[in-house]
Amino acid sequence: DGGITQSPKYLFRKEGQNVTLSCEQNLNHDAMYWYRQDPGQGLRLIYYSQIVNDFQKGDIAEGYSVSREKKESFPLTVTSAQKNPTAFYLCASSIRGADYNEQFFGPGTRLTVL
Amino acid sequence: AQTVTQSQPEMSVQEAETVTLSCTYDTSESDYYLFWYKQPPSRQMILVIRQEAYKQQNATENRFSVNFQKAAKSFSLKISDSQLGDAAMYFCAYRRGAGANSKLTFGKGITLSVRP
Repeated sequence: DGGITQSPKYLFRKEGQNVTLSCEQNLNHDAMYWYRQDPGQGLRLIYYSQIVNDFQKGDIAEGYSVSREKKESFPLTVTSAQKNPTAFYLCASSIRGADYNEQFFGPGTRLTVL
Repeated sequence: AQTVTQSQPEMSVQEAETVTLSCTYDTSESDYYLFWYKQPPSRQMILVIRQEAYKQQNATENRFSVNFQKAAKSFSLKISDSQLGDAAMYFCAYRRGAGANSKLTFGKGITLSVRP
């Protein structure tokens, strides 16, 4: 079945450590996105990528980094510079340039900093 | 910058009744798309319905329909014959028209509970 997978589902990190969240899709979508969800804040865009080897900062990129070496994969690294990393992280993908460009979401990763 | 506002943090509806969730947005664009996403307790985001700004006709998907008022920049979601499975968070989202920049701007969401 086609879809988006995120791993792990739950992730615990000590303060000062970098951690990488995985996002893989087999939908042959060009565009991929990372969102952060906090209670009462909705979803906020961290980074997005329209094509391989290219990505842009979203609204809250500070303390995060990404790479897009393969079409299928868009990993997100939460660095020690991110002051408040505990949150729910959602990855999404879409067909680039499509008319309505629906975004399909993965199941999410819950990151907790201890 | 575009903004999306969902002013009601919580709503409740009796099973089988109808409920309307409100959303307003601010944009200077004329070509854009609007979406309602559902996030059940599993936290999987699911697209409920979408509306193209250039279409005057309100979108409908089974029990879900929208009231799109372009001049008022209002985009409400009506759920008819509410079911227990409709209990979830609902997010309104905006996207600028077709093109390379396809990012979504979300509202803060509304938690809908359904009373049996």
